Amino acid sequence: DIQMTQSPSSVSASVGDRVTITCRASQVISDWLGWYQQKPGKAPKLLIYPASTLQSGVPSRFSGGGFGTDFTLTISSLQPEDFATYYCQQANSFPLTFGGGTKVEIK
Amino acid sequence: EVQLLESGGGLVQPGGSLRLSCAASGFTFSSYAMSWVRQAPGKGLEWVSGISTSGGSTYYADSVKGRFTISRDNSNKWLFLQMNSLRAEDTAVYYCAKGAGSSSSNCFDCWGQGTLVTVSS
Repeated sequence: DIQMTQSPSSVSASVGDRVTITCRASQVISDWLGWYQQKPGKAPKLLIYPASTLQSGVPSRFSGGGFGTDFTLTISSLQPEDFATYYCQQANSFPLTFGGGTKVEIK
Repeated sequence: EVQLLESGGGLVQPGGSLRLSCAASGFTFSSYAMSWVRQAPGKGLEWVSGISTSGGSTYYADSVKGRFTISRDNSNKWLFLQMNSLRAEDTAVYYCAKGAGSSSSNCFDCWGQGTLVTVSS
């Protein structure tokens, strides 16, 4: 199985800050990597897939990068609505696997 | 508008069974792979099972293999998850999720609201 390791597990940041989350796959997955945002009590929302393609309607302050095993999600200027938990997921092979999540909290 | 609506969750005793259903609308259901993803209380996301567009191929996490069965009804736009021999560790919110493309292995661009399954005596 492909293990997905996210870091950090949590980050405290202020509105306007630049935040970067990393995700590492235990084996090469090309660019078959997605990023989700989840708010409490809500279903996850797909932000980016594959690795650097912004989904329709997602603000341009979100960007993704990487290829192979190492990936990043960057929020260029954090907005109040961005405080949430973010997950990466590999779509290269079954079983599909998620990272452990990164909680972005208000500083 | 693409919509997924799960039903069938509830309280069940260890060793019991439940059948989850997911009604799809707003898209050509038969053209997309589908999956179930769960989230235990306070925990992260765990992919549970996936099914190809035709239903001819199914995939399972090791944690549920042999106990859960995924199926779909393309004519009526339904996705199902039959869960047998339930354990306390199966307690979670279960989400129905639409693949972002026709490939069985995919990320998910639409999710239902989730249905809570609680396994407890």
